[in-house]
Amino acid sequence: AQSVAQPEDQVNVAEGNPLTVKCTYSVSGNPYLFWYVQYPNRGLQFLLKYITGDNLVKGSYGFEAEFNKSQTSFHLKKPSALVSDSALYFCAVRSTSYGKLTFGQGTILTVHP
Amino acid sequence: NAGVTQTPKFQVLKTGQSMTLQCAQDMNHEYMSWYRQDPGMGLRLIHYSVGAGITDQGEVPNGYNVSRSTTEDFPLRLLSAAPSQTSVYFCASWGTYGYTFGSGTRLTVV
Repeated sequence: AQSVAQPEDQVNVAEGNPLTVKCTYSVSGNPYLFWYVQYPNRGLQFLLKYITGDNLVKGSYGFEAEFNKSQTSFHLKKPSALVSDSALYFCAVRSTSYGKLTFGQGTILTVHP
Repeated sequence: NAGVTQTPKFQVLKTGQSMTLQCAQDMNHEYMSWYRQDPGMGLRLIHYSVGAGITDQGEVPNGYNVSRSTTEDFPLRLLSAAPSQTSVYFCASWGTYGYTFGSGTRLTVV
């Protein structure tokens, strides 16, 4: 069975500082990894994905994520946080089987002015 | 381009009542799913469909039914609502960039 762990329920960072939201995964075969963001009372929005290729993936709104196969991690990063980045972030994984996506429990990111 | 449309946005049910949550997508995606979101538990898969006429159970299917008569529509039926089904429900369809999610239905069962 595939699974995702987001070890931090909350991450707090000051505006302008770099941010990292952590994610580790477990899956059979090669992982397909995703990050989604959810703003209050909204659906989830796609940020970025890793399928294959470069371990550093760039996505929307200046976010990037680093795939590390040996550590089974896919941490989300941004060099300089904005207050508007404050939201709930979900990491998700699927195996090579079509479409079934397993989500982590989510991390609340708060960026302080 | 509407994407994924869910109705209603809010609903209050009494225990034992039934209802259908509607989901429609206009992207011609074959794969669609229903998730429920509960605090601290992320999103859990209820049912999914790989195309018209084909559905399967996810992680938490009990108390829910689905059907897929067309590519566009994927309704979720609550057969006899229970307070444990109080949650936010998201429909999603799978495309090139992964899932596109609807805006959700917030369901309260009293």
